[in-house]
Amino acid sequence: NAGVTQTPKFQVLKTGQSMTLQCAQDMNHNSMYWYRQDPGMGLRLIYYSASEGTTDKGEVPNGYNVSRLNKREFSLRLESAAPSQTSVYFCASSGGNQPQHFGDGTRLSIL
Amino acid sequence: QKEVEQNSGPLSVPEGAIASLNCTYSDRGSQSFFWYRQYSGKSPELIMFIYSNGDKEDGRFTAQLNKASQYVSLLIRDSQPSDSATYLCAVTAGRRALTFGSGTRLQVQP
Repeated sequence: NAGVTQTPKFQVLKTGQSMTLQCAQDMNHNSMYWYRQDPGMGLRLIYYSASEGTTDKGEVPNGYNVSRLNKREFSLRLESAAPSQTSVYFCASSGGNQPQHFGDGTRLSIL
Repeated sequence: QKEVEQNSGPLSVPEGAIASLNCTYSDRGSQSFFWYRQYSGKSPELIMFIYSNGDKEDGRFTAQLNKASQYVSLLIRDSQPSDSATYLCAVTAGRRALTFGSGTRLQVQP
């Protein structure tokens, strides 16, 4: 049982490049989330999806887009990467009122 | 005012002692409260969750919730060097996403 799987684990981009972070869960959870974590800080919500076909903005959505492709997959896209988006990105999922389970994270550096 | 506040630490305790980690939150509608442990370079790992006022014990861990004071704490008994990590407090109201504090770094000295 893999839980929440994120790809890639590491990525270096140049300013202005685009990329998509992938997330998949195999726990049949309805809700999925994208967070970013900057050094010395807690996790900040970027976007979340309460169910297949729905997405909502979180605390820091600017510069990002998301797609809930199906119940398993929730992707995060950076259309034009900026150095301020250098961070560690975590995907999480949850079912009902149960606690969220996190993936291993994607470490993204933007030069 | 931040929605979830934690002392950043580091909180240093000797091996075998009780570590007490505290968290306050501003949203009185918060219903669910979580403690996650995060080792350096790793993802958050759920330690405890609590929904009702009072104490909840699981092994060496005890979560305490006081909704009137908007306060939640985590006690770690018989602290071990392997408990050294950052502890994140998170709260949510209903089915909304979690709001995290910035975390408290715990150091357990051998």
